[in-house]
Amino acid sequence: KQEVTQIPAALSVPEGENLVLNCSFTDSAIYNLQWFRQDPGKGLTSLLLIQSSQREQTSGRLNASLDKSSGRSTLYIAASQPGDSATYLCAVLGANNLFFGTGTRLTVIP
Amino acid sequence: EAGVAQSPRYKIIEKRQSVAFWCNPISGHATLYWYQQILGQGPKLLIQFQNNGVVDDSQLPKDRFSAERLKGVDSTLKIQPAKLEDSAVYLCASSLDVGWGTLFFGEGSRLTVL
Repeated sequence: KQEVTQIPAALSVPEGENLVLNCSFTDSAIYNLQWFRQDPGKGLTSLLLIQSSQREQTSGRLNASLDKSSGRSTLYIAASQPGDSATYLCAVLGANNLFFGTGTRLTVIP
Repeated sequence: EAGVAQSPRYKIIEKRQSVAFWCNPISGHATLYWYQQILGQGPKLLIQFQNNGVVDDSQLPKDRFSAERLKGVDSTLKIQPAKLEDSAVYLCASSLDVGWGTLFFGEGSRLTVL
């Protein structure tokens, strides 16, 4: 069964720093990987989707990479802002299910 | 474009009572998902519909949970009778494609079972 792990569970950084969130998965047979953002009491917002054939995707200050063979993905956030404070979840699409990690709670300190 | 709508946002019930949650996906989205998110965990898929048919309900506790999407549009998730461990946020999501694509989530329905 696919297991998705996100480390660290929580992260605090000062405003302006660049940061990296990590996601690892145990089964490399995936179709795609998605990064989501979840604000307290809210649903999930899709940030980036990387197909299994791709190595990275970029959107604004966000860049996600995928190394399927090693079972890893990273989400890079450049020039962090207080508005980036949220929980970030990665999810991998297997044969018939989307498996979520437990998330990294990010706090950007003004 | 309207997002995924869910109601109610919050519900508190006692154990053994019943509860129902409603979801209206984004117009034109073929696939609808119900997820359960327990505090501190990632969402877990309960059931996936494609139009009005069930694609996957392998993780739905069928002795107490049921879901339907009769006309292939909105959907209802019911829990009867509720247990303490059902306390969670129930998230509905939809996607345009018949398979898995970008998922759009509603804000969720938070259930507390006392």
